Amino acid sequence: EAGVAQSPRYKIIEKRQSVAFWCNPISGHATLYWYQQILGQGPKLLIQFQNNGVVDDSQLPKDRFSAERLKGVDSTLKIQPAKLEDSAVYLCASSLEWAGGTGELFFGEGSRLTVL
Amino acid sequence: SQQGEEDPQALSIQEGENATMNCSYKTSINNLQWYRQNSGRGLVHLILIRSNEREKHSGRLRVTLDTSKKSSSLLITASRAADTASYFCATVPDDKIIFGKGTRLHILP
Repeated sequence: EAGVAQSPRYKIIEKRQSVAFWCNPISGHATLYWYQQILGQGPKLLIQFQNNGVVDDSQLPKDRFSAERLKGVDSTLKIQPAKLEDSAVYLCASSLEWAGGTGELFFGEGSRLTVL
Repeated sequence: SQQGEEDPQALSIQEGENATMNCSYKTSINNLQWYRQNSGRGLVHLILIRSNEREKHSGRLRVTLDTSKKSSSLLITASRAADTASYFCATVPDDKIIFGKGTRLHILP
């Protein structure tokens, strides 16, 4: 079974530039999550999709971050314009279904962003 | 905001010893999960314990949950070098999964 695919693995940009990350979840997984993980900290939920609908985006900085999951399959996370504090690993995860949070989350390898 | 807080932040033990790490959380939960993250990799699910369970085992892992104290512990028995990683508890207070800051475990040869 193929895992969660993310790209690019690494990205270095200047502040105020834009960047996009792509995620392809495990086939058949209805729930997709984007987490931000700053070095030395735990993952912080940015946005959660159920199929192509947003379940929670309360911690997504909407003035600069956007995410979409067209057709309920793969997803993109965009940052525009980037700030220094956006330097982090962006993790995508998927689960078969929400099921009250009892579903196991499967994570991709992450996309490491460095903003200079 | 982070719901769970792991303790200790870092732990170094000799190979073969047992490792115990704790997670405390603030609000009532439906269930609690533990994940492992090797350096530079994504997180891997280890075990889930529901709010009506007190203890659960999986191989060398033992998880306990005390909802009255709002705390959980993860015990890894007979540690191996491959157990070197960061361990995170994840709580489900309502409709989202929230991770703690993690415990960095280092197994010494």
